[in-house]
Parts: sequence; structure tokens; C-alpha cells
Amino acid sequence: GENVEQHPSTLSVQEGDSAVIKCTYSDSASNYFPWYKQELGKGPQLIIDIRSNVGEKKDQRIAVTLNKTAKHFSLHITETQPEDSAVYFCAASKGRDDKIIFGKGTRLHILP
Amino acid sequence: GAVVSQHPSWVICKSGTSVKIECRSLDFQATTMFWYRQFPKQSLMLMATSNEGSKATYEQGVEKDKFLINHASLTLSTLTVTSAHPEDSSFYICSAPDRGQGTYEQYFGPGTRLTVT
Repeated sequence: GENVEQHPSTLSVQEGDSAVIKCTYSDSASNYFPWYKQELGKGPQLIIDIRSNVGEKKDQRIAVTLNKTAKHFSLHITETQPEDSAVYFCAASKGRDDKIIFGKGTRLHILP
Repeated sequence: GAVVSQHPSWVICKSGTSVKIECRSLDFQATTMFWYRQFPKQSLMLMATSNEGSKATYEQGVEKDKFLINHASLTLSTLTVTSAHPEDSSFYICSAPDRGQGTYEQYFGPGTRLTVT
């Protein structure tokens, strides 16, 4: 089955700097790659997603890149702010109605 | 956007009792819903896929007789933890895709915190 690896597990960056989280997936049939932000005691919140027919997608300070050949995808957050502190999960899925497999998560700390 | 609710948001039960958690799609119909479990400081682990009008599909290692799933309508799936034990204490989250949106996005509920004493 699908396996999603995520690195790093913890990331501390100075406020205003950029943060990058990297993931790899194992199943070449995966074609949807969402990223979630989860705050303590809450369900995951979709922050950006990308489908396999696109190499890059950007939404304000957040961008995601996908390399299908290498089975890598990454999340980039620029100009980080204190409210970006949270746990971030990458994930992969094979279709609209298919299950979503999560990476182990990255705890992002934004330092003042 | 589409909204998924869960009830209750938290529950405490005694060891050996059963507890039911509801997952509802509030403004769309969900023929498929997914149930996840999340232990503290860990990731979301898929437990089962709930299909309206048919039996659920369980992931390897998940006891189907312990975690009963019923998807009796297009807007409601329930997860019943039978004979709960302290090791079942966890954060349970459901999700559902909205086929009517034409996107691949799934909508997650806010989660249910289960504590078994």
C-alpha cells in the first residue's frame, strides 16, 4: 500500500524566514497531494493541494511543488508568522473517493 | 465550503462500555466517509472506509468487531467502539469527499476525543 514519508519531524525557523517541509510517496498511482495544518485538539485543515498534472501551485505565502518522477513533493511557507506555528501533514491519495494516507507530520515552531 | 460535523466533541466512558461517535455531512451527500484515529503527537491513521448502504472496509490490523461502522444514510456515518479499553483512548476524526464539488478535496470533521477510564 501507499507509504508517505515526511521530513523533518520538527522545524524551528525565525519569524519572517521561510520553512520547507519535504515528503516522498511510494505508490506511483497516487495523483492527489494535499497538505494540512492541524492545531491542538482540532481536525486537520487543508491549506493547499496539488494534483499530479501540475508541477507547482502557489497561494499567497504558501507553495507546493511536485516531482512525479522522483515521487517527491514539498511545502514552502515564506515570510513565516507566529500563527504559522502548528503541525503540518503531507498526504497522498489515488482519487477523488480514495482514502488519504498521511505522513507523520512536522511540528513547525516560529521563533520571535 | 462543505462542512462535516462530529458528535460528541469529547466523551469519557468506563472500561468495558460502548460509545458511539457520529459523523455528519451537513451540506452535501457523502456516499463514502473515512474514519481515522490519532494518538497524541502522532499522525492520522486510517481505520476504515465507510460506504453508504454496504459494509465498511477496514484497514489491516483494525478489529471490525470492535469498531462497528454504520453508514445508513447519505449524510451520516457512525463509529461504535465496543467494549472500550483505556488503549482505545484517542482522537477519532472522520472525513468525506463531496462529489458534487468536482474536486479531490476531502472535508474533515473537528474530531472526537475519547477517554476510556
